[in-house]
Amino acid sequence: GDSVTQMEGPVTLSEEAFLTINCTYTATGYPSLFWYVQYPGEGLQLLLKATKADDKGSNKGFEATYRKETTSFHLEKGSVQVSDSAVYFCALGSDTNAGKSTFGDGTTLTVKP
Amino acid sequence: KAGVTQTPRYLIKTRGQQVTLSCSPISGHRSVSWYQQTPGQGLQFLFEYFSETQRNKGNFPGRFSGRQFSNSRSEMNVSTLELGDSALYLCASSLSSGGFDEQYFGPGTRLTVT
Repeated sequence: GDSVTQMEGPVTLSEEAFLTINCTYTATGYPSLFWYVQYPGEGLQLLLKATKADDKGSNKGFEATYRKETTSFHLEKGSVQVSDSAVYFCALGSDTNAGKSTFGDGTTLTVKP
Repeated sequence: KAGVTQTPRYLIKTRGQQVTLSCSPISGHRSVSWYQQTPGQGLQFLFEYFSETQRNKGNFPGRFSGRQFSNSRSEMNVSTLELGDSALYLCASSLSSGGFDEQYFGPGTRLTVT
């Protein structure tokens, strides 16, 4: 079945540091890939998405590229801020699984001033 | 456009009781999915409804059930509550039932079973 593996956390960075959170997936067919972010006490918010190979999703300085050959969708940001502290989830969705997103375990990011 | 709303936000129940959670999707969204989030298991898919029909179901016991109304609002019911049912229950809506669409999540209902 479908699965998503995220790098183990937590991750602690200083403000303005470079961020990478690794994500790899296993799926049949050609899934859509997503990054969601969850702030304390809230639900998940879509951060970015990519729907086909070599697509790059971007939002708020975050980027991720759909790499079919390595089945990866790593999240990057060039300069993190304290306000980026949250839990980040990599996820996939496919037409063979109606209404279901398969999520990674989440990576907790803490950014210190 | 209003986001996904869930009621109640917090709930405390006793083991053996039953509970009903409610979700109102974004206007125009016909797909509603439910997830259970716990520190140990992460985000687990419960089920998905589209146009009042359950289209997909996760690996949860029959004590977990749901339904969707003609206005796309959805309810989730858990009967005979167990301590292990304590979790954050998230509802998500999307335009279509296909997995390619992004999902929009509500703030969740925090259920505590004592």
